Amino acid sequence: QKEVEQNSGPLSVPEGAIASLNCTYSDRGSQSFFWYRQYSGKSPELIMFIYSNGDKEDGRFTAQLNKASQYVSLLIRDSQPSDSATYLCAVNEGYGGATNKLIFGTGTLLAVQP
Amino acid sequence: DAGVIQSPRHEVTEMGQEVTLRCKPISGHNSLFWYRQTMMRGLELLIYFNNNVPIDDSGMPEDRFSAKMPNASFSTLKIQPSEPRDSAVYFCASSPWGVGSPLHFGNGTRLTVT
Repeated sequence: QKEVEQNSGPLSVPEGAIASLNCTYSDRGSQSFFWYRQYSGKSPELIMFIYSNGDKEDGRFTAQLNKASQYVSLLIRDSQPSDSATYLCAVNEGYGGATNKLIFGTGTLLAVQP
Repeated sequence: DAGVIQSPRHEVTEMGQEVTLRCKPISGHNSLFWYRQTMMRGLELLIYFNNNVPIDDSGMPEDRFSAKMPNASFSTLKIQPSEPRDSAVYFCASSPWGVGSPLHFGNGTRLTVT
């Protein structure tokens, strides 16, 4: 069974610090990796996507992908209280032929302390 | 861009009743997904369509659940008969065609079955 694993948290960081969120996945055929942010009572919203090994930066956010080790991470620099939310990792189904079907982890709750 | 539109936002019903959830995807998006979110299991994919055709319904819990997409701008998820364990937030999402396309989520329908 294809799985996406995340530490449920909560991950507590002080304001201004770097928050590091991690995700591992089981499907070696996966090609597309996404990070979504979900505020309580709201729908998931896309933050970042990454397709290639290495780092991808967008403002305060950096996604990191290592396909050999099957992990993807999200770094949030200069964390703000408004970043407090659940962060969902999503991976496309790849085994047997890549599809646009996304499998989600259960999310990591981030709490940024002012 | 109006985004993905779901209705109703909230639904409270009694066990045994039929429930119909509705979704209008973003215009031009070829893929439509129905997810269910609970605290225990996170976001689970129920079914998805490409070009109005159901591609993978392996996540549909049982025969009480059915989904249709009669045209490119409308989809329904029906539960008949409903049970208390069906209580969850149901999200519809759409994406452009192709592997690696990010999903855009609607605001969700919070279903409570008493």
